[in-house]
Amino acid sequence: RKEVEQDPGPFNVPEGATVAFNCTYSNSASQSFFWYRQDCRKEPKLLMSVYSSGNEDGRFTAQLNRASQYISLLIRDSKLSDSATYLCVVRNGGSQGNLIFGKGTKLSVKP
Amino acid sequence: DADVTQTPRNRITKTGKRIMLECSQTKGHDRMYWYRQDPGLGLRLIYYSFDVKDINKGEISDGYSVSRQAQAKFSLSLESAIPNQTALYFCATSAFMSTDTQYFGPGTRLTVL
Repeated sequence: RKEVEQDPGPFNVPEGATVAFNCTYSNSASQSFFWYRQDCRKEPKLLMSVYSSGNEDGRFTAQLNRASQYISLLIRDSKLSDSATYLCVVRNGGSQGNLIFGKGTKLSVKP
Repeated sequence: DADVTQTPRNRITKTGKRIMLECSQTKGHDRMYWYRQDPGLGLRLIYYSFDVKDINKGEISDGYSVSRQAQAKFSLSLESAIPNQTALYFCATSAFMSTDTQYFGPGTRLTVL
């Protein structure tokens, strides 16, 4: 089983749609969780951290279920500019642990 | 100006050639990383450095070497390039007390013929 698994997509949605991405991780000792965004041919950038209590940033909501080792990202009212690949990222171990990146889920928002 | 820069941005080379990819950062971060990204495989860690005197192998270090010339500079070398090292290479940095947020350079697209 791969350490971080995501549905590669692509997810093709119309503007204004709500879309959800899921991610599972294999290491139950994982410490921290994130979603990064990567535009085509660009570098990844941190979108948001994921906390056990769930967290929201505008149209974006992230959830963590430690028992099921599952992370989600919900995007409401999709914009054309949301089109990108979304990377699920996990940090294992203590503060020295490195980031493990999922392969990414591609989102395409159409007019 | 960009906080993390990489040179060159694109490079085409031949099998057996020695190649060096350079990374510089102005963020004042202690930690620097080299990743490669291949279609369908995601980002994989090649080497990382927590400070100038600390170099560590990542998931896929074979065929690569690194040098941390200064806090701000971290270079990646391919001693004898081979075609399966064709990939997009990213350098990243993070602060000592906040390793969760990594800041990536724009990437170097390397093609080995």
